[in-house]
Amino acid sequence: NAGVTQTPKFQVLKTGQSMTLQCAQDMNHEYMSWYRQDPGMGLRLIHYSVGAGITDQGEVPNGYNVSRSTTEDFPLRLLSAAPSQTSVYFCASSYSGSLSSYEQYFGPGTRLTVT
Amino acid sequence: ILNVEQSPQSLHVQEGDSTNFTCSFPSSNFYALHWYRWETAKSPEALFVMTLNGDEKKKGRISATLNTKEGYSYLYIKGSQPEDSATYLCASPTSGTYKYIFGTGTRLKVLA
Repeated sequence: NAGVTQTPKFQVLKTGQSMTLQCAQDMNHEYMSWYRQDPGMGLRLIHYSVGAGITDQGEVPNGYNVSRSTTEDFPLRLLSAAPSQTSVYFCASSYSGSLSSYEQYFGPGTRLTVT
Repeated sequence: ILNVEQSPQSLHVQEGDSTNFTCSFPSSNFYALHWYRWETAKSPEALFVMTLNGDEKKKGRISATLNTKEGYSYLYIKGSQPEDSATYLCASPTSGTYKYIFGTGTRLKVLA
């Protein structure tokens, strides 16, 4: 099992450019999520999905889109990059979003800089 | 939005010392509390998932307790080692949703 994989590891964008951060998991997990990590702010939830075809907004969704066409993949799209989106992005998955709870498995992260 | 708070923000301990830190969360509509360990340049890894009041979990020298009535969880490390140096995060889902809210973490440095 590769677990949760993310590509790219590093990316530099110019303001206004768009791009997609890729996330995939091979554990047949229902629940997938995207977080951003900023100094002093901890991990903040951007979007999440409880299964193929089902997505919802997290705490900081503005400027980001997601889709979940398969169980394995959960890409995060930046529509028009802004310097405020400079951050480290983590994708995570868990067996279920059930509130009786399963731990989340995190990918290695993507460090994004917007100039 | 649920507030999950952790204290202290950071601490330094000597090798061999035992230590503990706190995660607090609103006690109403509690569902679960997760603890993660996050080493520098790596990804967070789950330590414990706790769901019941009075839960106590243990993994080696690390243990955690949960009090859902008063809204706190303690993480204990017995006989700290330099390899325990990491940021320890707790997270809990917002009431009635699948939205996990993370605390800002406690950064532990164990001095040899």
